[in-house]
Amino acid sequence: DGGITQSPKYLFRKEGQNVTLSCEQNLNHDAMYWYRQDPGQGLRLIYYSQIVNDFQKGDIAEGYSVSREKKESFPLTVTSAQKNPTAFYLCASSWGRSRSQPQHFGDGTRLSIL
Amino acid sequence: DQQVKQNSPSLSVQEGRISILNCDYTNSMFDYFLWYKKYPAEGPTFLISISSIKDKNEDGRFTVFLNKSAKHLSLHIVPSQPGDSAVYFCAASAGSGSGNTGKLIFGQGTTLQVKP
Repeated sequence: DGGITQSPKYLFRKEGQNVTLSCEQNLNHDAMYWYRQDPGQGLRLIYYSQIVNDFQKGDIAEGYSVSREKKESFPLTVTSAQKNPTAFYLCASSWGRSRSQPQHFGDGTRLSIL
Repeated sequence: DQQVKQNSPSLSVQEGRISILNCDYTNSMFDYFLWYKKYPAEGPTFLISISSIKDKNEDGRFTVFLNKSAKHLSLHIVPSQPGDSAVYFCAASAGSGSGNTGKLIFGQGTTLQVKP
């Protein structure tokens, strides 16, 4: 059953700590994306990757880092430099430049500060 | 600067009636638009899309209308069902060919409640 798996579903971060959110897809998609959703706001793009070993900053990349060592995996690290990390984080994937193929989303990770 | 706006945070309709969700955009380079539906604690799921070469696209109970001159699109759900109750996001993308990065710009979302 193909899809996108995000883990964990809930995550807590202490002050000054880095945390990594996992995103795995078995859809054979080339492109992967990370979004952040805050209450009353739409999804804002953090980072995206169109191909393995390459990624670009989105609109709100500060305080975040990513890697794309495998096609299936696109982990997001929320660093201590991100001063307001509490949010709902969504990972998505797509065939990339074929816009007739929409982005598919995982079920998200809710990150909170202890 | 919010390039995609959904000015109605919420909408309530009676079961069987029409639901109309609206979306405005400011960037004239946007040429592909999508609607996503989201339940609480889940990721958005794709509903329907439209290219700027069209002004209407229909899929079952869902129809999207695009008015390029007004930079406005709307999603019509007819008839509305209680299971349609969710948050609806519109999204837009720009560029074609080598200029297309697949990036989507999302609106803030509209919460639809369909009452039995």
